[in-house]
Amino acid sequence: DGGITQSPKYLFRKEGQNVTLSCEQNLNHDAMYWYRQDPGQGLRLIYYSQIVNDFQKGDIAEGYSVSREKKESFPLTVTSAQKNPTAFYLCASSSTGGSQKLFFGSGTQLSVL
Amino acid sequence: GDSVTQMEGPVTLSEEAFLTINCTYTATGYPSLFWYVQYPGEGLQLLLKATKADDKGSNKGFEATYRKETTSFHLEKGSVQVSDSAVYFCALRDANDYKLSFGAGTTVTVRA
Repeated sequence: DGGITQSPKYLFRKEGQNVTLSCEQNLNHDAMYWYRQDPGQGLRLIYYSQIVNDFQKGDIAEGYSVSREKKESFPLTVTSAQKNPTAFYLCASSSTGGSQKLFFGSGTQLSVL
Repeated sequence: GDSVTQMEGPVTLSEEAFLTINCTYTATGYPSLFWYVQYPGEGLQLLLKATKADDKGSNKGFEATYRKETTSFHLEKGSVQVSDSAVYFCALRDANDYKLSFGAGTTVTVRA
């Protein structure tokens, strides 16, 4: 089945630790995205990538980093510089084109120990 | 920049009631408009979309019409079911960009 796989489903971070969230898609989509979801605030864009080896900052990129070495993969690292990392993180992908819908993964809940 | 404002929740309804969730947008160009739904513990799924003025998107009994004159894309369903309980997000994508801008989400609870 085609889709987006995020792992792990739950992740805990210690003080000062970097953690990496995985996102893999087999939909052959060029574009991939990371969103952060906080209660009552909807989704905010962290980073997005339109093509391999290229990515752009979204609205809240500080304290996060990404890479796009393969078309299928777009991992997100939450660094120790992100002081409030507890949130639900959603990865998405889409084909290019203005009206193309996003396909979402099932999310990773990150909490701070 | 582009933005979406949607009705605050939570919204609680009885089964078979009429549901409306208001959504208005601000955009410089001619965006595509979307409604996404999120069931508990899951990612988002596309519910419906409209790509130009006066288009009506529809799916699973839900409808929304792209109104350029009022910059709105209100979601409606005539008779809700318990299974419609979810968080609903209005979103827009500018024609010249790949990013989606989301509203804050509206939590809907339908009671039997």
